[in-house]
Amino acid sequence: AQTVTQSQPEMSVQEAETVTLSCTYDTSESDYYLFWYKQPPSRQMILVIRQEAYKQQNATENRFSVNFQKAAKSFSLKISDSQLGDAAMYFCAYRSNQAGTALIFGKGTTLSVSS
Amino acid sequence: DAGVIQSPRHEVTEMGQEVTLRCKPISGHDYLFWYRQTMMRGLELLIYFNNNVPIDDSGMPEDRFSAKMPNASFSTLKIQPSEPRDSAVYFCASSTSSGRLETQYFGPGTRLLVL
Repeated sequence: AQTVTQSQPEMSVQEAETVTLSCTYDTSESDYYLFWYKQPPSRQMILVIRQEAYKQQNATENRFSVNFQKAAKSFSLKISDSQLGDAAMYFCAYRSNQAGTALIFGKGTTLSVSS
Repeated sequence: DAGVIQSPRHEVTEMGQEVTLRCKPISGHDYLFWYRQTMMRGLELLIYFNNNVPIDDSGMPEDRFSAKMPNASFSTLKIQPSEPRDSAVYFCASSTSSGRLETQYFGPGTRLLVL
């Protein structure tokens, strides 16, 4: 069975600085998808970024980028130029390539941003 | 697009009462997922549907939980009778299998408190 591990329960960063959130996963599959979701205090789950395992190029969405290391089964999220609105819980998630399979989530990392 | 709609947003009930959570997926999506989020267990899948048919209900805790999807635009998750340990945030998510990269989009969640 696949598992997702986020080893940092809490992280903090100052405004305008860069922070990296870690995620590792375990799978025997070769084709899969990885996601980062953001959950602010409102509890809404918001997709931040996604990565297809067969793509070597790391995904980027504005200030958010990932470092995908397939051999190491690592999928970290880098947030550049951090803003107060980035404060939230961040979840790393794995999904099999098979259509319609459910997401497997890590335990989450709470990010606080100070001014 | 209105996104995934869930109702109610908050529900407070007493132990033993029946609780019904509702979800309207994004139009055109053929997969619908119910997740539960608790402090102890994090985010976990309860059940998911494809074209209104339940595919995997292995995450449903026990017989007190039931889910239905009578049509493509509506699903319910029912707890009868409810217990205090059912207190959690329940998320509905939907996705489409068209295209290689299917992403699950989450509703705002229903925060359930069972007294």
